[in-house]
Amino acid sequence: AQSVAQPEDQVNVAEGNPLTVKCTYSVSGNPYLFWYVQYPNRGLQFLLKYITGDNLVKGSYGFEAEFNKSQTSFHLKKPSALVSDSALYFCAASDDKIIFGKGTRLHILP
Amino acid sequence: GAVVSQHPSWVICKSGTSVKIECRSLDFQATTMFWYRQFPKQSLMLMATSNEGSKATYEQGVEKDKFLINHASLTLSTLTVTSAHPEDSSFYICSAQSVRGGQQFFGPGTRLTVL
Repeated sequence: AQSVAQPEDQVNVAEGNPLTVKCTYSVSGNPYLFWYVQYPNRGLQFLLKYITGDNLVKGSYGFEAEFNKSQTSFHLKKPSALVSDSALYFCAASDDKIIFGKGTRLHILP
Repeated sequence: GAVVSQHPSWVICKSGTSVKIECRSLDFQATTMFWYRQFPKQSLMLMATSNEGSKATYEQGVEKDKFLINHASLTLSTLTVTSAHPEDSSFYICSAQSVRGGQQFFGPGTRLTVL
């Protein structure tokens, strides 16, 4: 079955430190890959997507994600975390139908 | 884990007809449900936020008279596409946010094809 996995329920990072939120996928073909962010009581907001080309994708709010085909991963990264980055992050893959990971709660410690 | 269902999973209708899509939280109460639209290989687009017992809040550019949302109970929200046209063909996804913690759970989606 096709799936997207986010192995960490929560990630804690000190403000100013680099952050990584992990995502791996098991989807046939060459899916498009997405990261979304959800703030409390709000709908998802699009951060970035990978289609083809450069494996490092830059997105909103200073986030970037690295596509690794051999590891079927698409980890979200940011060089220096802000307290305001604290939110719920979802990874998704779409070939025809979009499939979501279960989400990772990112907590940035001041 | 929490489960969100959508019914139907797919529907084909004629242009001009109305289609109702149901979103249910099966094992938890959801004060807030979100409705999204997605085209193949495209990003999700948030259409509206639905809070139980109150009117939905629509995103800019989404016609509220065309996409009627009702959230009558803590476990059910419905999206009715009125007078559907071929350009309404899309994949519609709902998500439900539990009362506690704000975790959002996604339904499997409904594929609408308007002929």
